Amino acid sequence: ETGVTQTPRHLVMGMTNKKSLKCEQHLGHNAMYWYKQSAKKPLELMFVYSLEERVENNSVPSRFSPECPNSSHLFLHLHTLQPEDSALYLCASSQDRLNEQFFGPGTRLTVL
Amino acid sequence: QKEVEQNSGPLSVPEGAIASLNCTYSDRVSQSFFWYRQYSGKSPELIMSIYSNGDKEDGRFTAQLNKASQYVSLLIRDSQPSDSATYLCAVNIQGSQGNLIFGKGTKLSVKP
Repeated sequence: ETGVTQTPRHLVMGMTNKKSLKCEQHLGHNAMYWYKQSAKKPLELMFVYSLEERVENNSVPSRFSPECPNSSHLFLHLHTLQPEDSALYLCASSQDRLNEQFFGPGTRLTVL
Repeated sequence: QKEVEQNSGPLSVPEGAIASLNCTYSDRVSQSFFWYRQYSGKSPELIMSIYSNGDKEDGRFTAQLNKASQYVSLLIRDSQPSDSATYLCAVNIQGSQGNLIFGKGTKLSVKP
């Protein structure tokens, strides 16, 4: 595997389900990110981890919970989601927070 | 005040022409500037990064940065139908804890 990988690529879940999105980077980077991309909106930064330290975005609802067990892996745990949470969820990584970010292929999430 | 602004388009150019994409940003002390290409249904792909005033060329792509006027542009020479995509401008905004702020993107259509 090279670059940034994400699983699953597609996810359909009900509002009462609990699921997790996984991201792995093979670039030796120190920072990892979760973004949400909804139709006709700019990319929204959700969470940042730098050297495994979390920088929170206070506007993210608590039904989204990130986890970064090490510098190569990032998870986004989902529970009690709403239909408006349906979007493309993108993971990215960078060498540090001032450098270019490289994106994974994304997880297309649909909440029914 | 919007931090990173782009004309949403669509910008339509004939094959072989020069496509010019523009982006303005609000933070005078921004240091890092990036252009990403995003095909429909795919994740953003980094195509150019620029850190200092002037032009930076890479193949058919030229990024231009003017920090005094707070704009960054992307020129695509000899445009091809395969260049049809949404182009995202991203800027490292000082006030955002060093995080990248993305514009909404400009949709480019290259007509054969």
